[in-house]
Amino acid sequence: QSVLAQPPSVSAAPGQRVTISCSGSSSNIGNNYVSWYQQFPGTAPQLLIYDNNKRPSGIPDRFSGSKSGTSATLGITGLQTGDEADYYCGTWETSLSGGHYVFGTGTKVTVL
Amino acid sequence: EVQLLESGGGSVQPGGSLRLSCVASGFTFSSYGINWVRQAPGKGLEWVSGISLRGGRTDYADSVKGRFTISRDIPKNTLFLQMNSLRAEDTALYYCVKDLDDHFDYWGQGTLVTVSS
Repeated sequence: QSVLAQPPSVSAAPGQRVTISCSGSSSNIGNNYVSWYQQFPGTAPQLLIYDNNKRPSGIPDRFSGSKSGTSATLGITGLQTGDEADYYCGTWETSLSGGHYVFGTGTKVTVL
Repeated sequence: EVQLLESGGGSVQPGGSLRLSCVASGFTFSSYGINWVRQAPGKGLEWVSGISLRGGRTDYADSVKGRFTISRDIPKNTLFLQMNSLRAEDTALYYCVKDLDDHFDYWGQGTLVTVSS
């Protein structure tokens, strides 16, 4: 059961910018780093953004992340057809029963 | 190069058991947390269980607690997931995922578990 809310889909024309929101609470986003994962159909997810706004080696700077309070945002500028994929946010959830990792509901990016 | 190779998936009847394995290479297995994440057909990602770096603590999603057991064989660089009392809703692609404390940096290709009568 996802506890992080994302819009089901976003779309834009090539070259444009899209943003994907990820809404949580003080027990997850509010007190932990947020990561973003990109998943192409039929393949495993890959790390896109970590520690709120850092990019792993090889990820272009068209991808950016930010966090404010209990929400996070992924931005993609200069949208390309190759960016069509599902995107998930994720973070640790601290609870009395231990540490659980939680993912967002996922957002499908479509390039018009 | 980090590699995570899952195996052990298959078809099983409700109430049955399966044991998944994940052989890791390319990093010091004992020095990192490692997890299982699943994805039901056409659905999103769900964290299932993990072994943390600090003290090797194990955690489980509420949906599998009491039915699944995670363990690892450090000399063999292998992670396991013993799945008992399987239900139809456990049907999914199960990924082995390495974590770097705050994020999941490497994912395997997954092994498919189908629970059906």
